[in-house]
Amino acid sequence: KAGVTQTPRYLIKTRGQQVTLSCSPISGHRSVSWYQQTPGQGLQFLFEYFSETQRNKGNFPGRFSGRQFSNSRSEMNVSTLELGDSALYLCASSLDWVGEKLFFGSGTQLSVL
Amino acid sequence: SQQGEEDPQALSIQEGENATMNCSYKTSINNLQWYRQNSGRGLVHLILIRSNEREKHSGRLRVTLDTSKKSSSLLITASRAADTASYFCATEETSGSRLTFGEGTQLTVNP
Repeated sequence: KAGVTQTPRYLIKTRGQQVTLSCSPISGHRSVSWYQQTPGQGLQFLFEYFSETQRNKGNFPGRFSGRQFSNSRSEMNVSTLELGDSALYLCASSLDWVGEKLFFGSGTQLSVL
Repeated sequence: SQQGEEDPQALSIQEGENATMNCSYKTSINNLQWYRQNSGRGLVHLILIRSNEREKHSGRLRVTLDTSKKSSSLLITASRAADTASYFCATEETSGSRLTFGEGTQLTVNP
C-alpha cells in the first residue's frame, strides 16, 4: 500500500498570500488529521476530517481551513499568511478514529517571507 | 497547550547503551502512543499502550504506563546510531477527540 502523500514538499510564500496544501491518505483510511509543527510550539492539532466532515478542530484562527473529498483526500488552506505560519505541516491518516495509530506523511515545509 | 511533556528534552548516549525517555500527561486517557521523527520528516508510529495495560514490548522497545502517576516511559535497548531521532509521546484523552503530542525528546546515539 502506498503511504500518506503530501504535496508540495516545500513551499515559499510571502505575507498576505494564501496557500493550499494537499494530502492523500492511505487507501481505505477515512480519517485525516492535520498538525502544525514548529520548534517553539511542537506539534499542534489543526483539525480532523472524517467522511467529508470536520469532526474536530484545534485552537487556530479562522484563516486555517480544510476540507475532505469523497475519496478521502484532504486539503488545508491558509489565507492571509503571516510570518508565524512558517512551519512543517503534517497530515496523518487512520482507518476510522483519530485515537488509533496514525500514519503520517512527510509533511509540507512552508516558509513565509 | 501540550498534554504530554517528555523528559529529558535531549539525550546523548553511546551505541549499545540503553535510552530511557519519560512522558507525563495531565488528563485521563484511552491510550498512549510513542512516535519517532527523523529530522524534518513525518512521524512514524512505534507502539501503542492502552490505559488498562501496564507494559508492552516491541523488538528493542519497552513501554510502561502508570495511570496513577499519569506517566509513561519508553526504553530503547542496545541503541544504534540509526535510532538517532526525536521521540514523541501522544495521548488520546477519554473525550476521544484527538491525539495530543508532547514536545519530544531528541535522542542522539553516537557511534
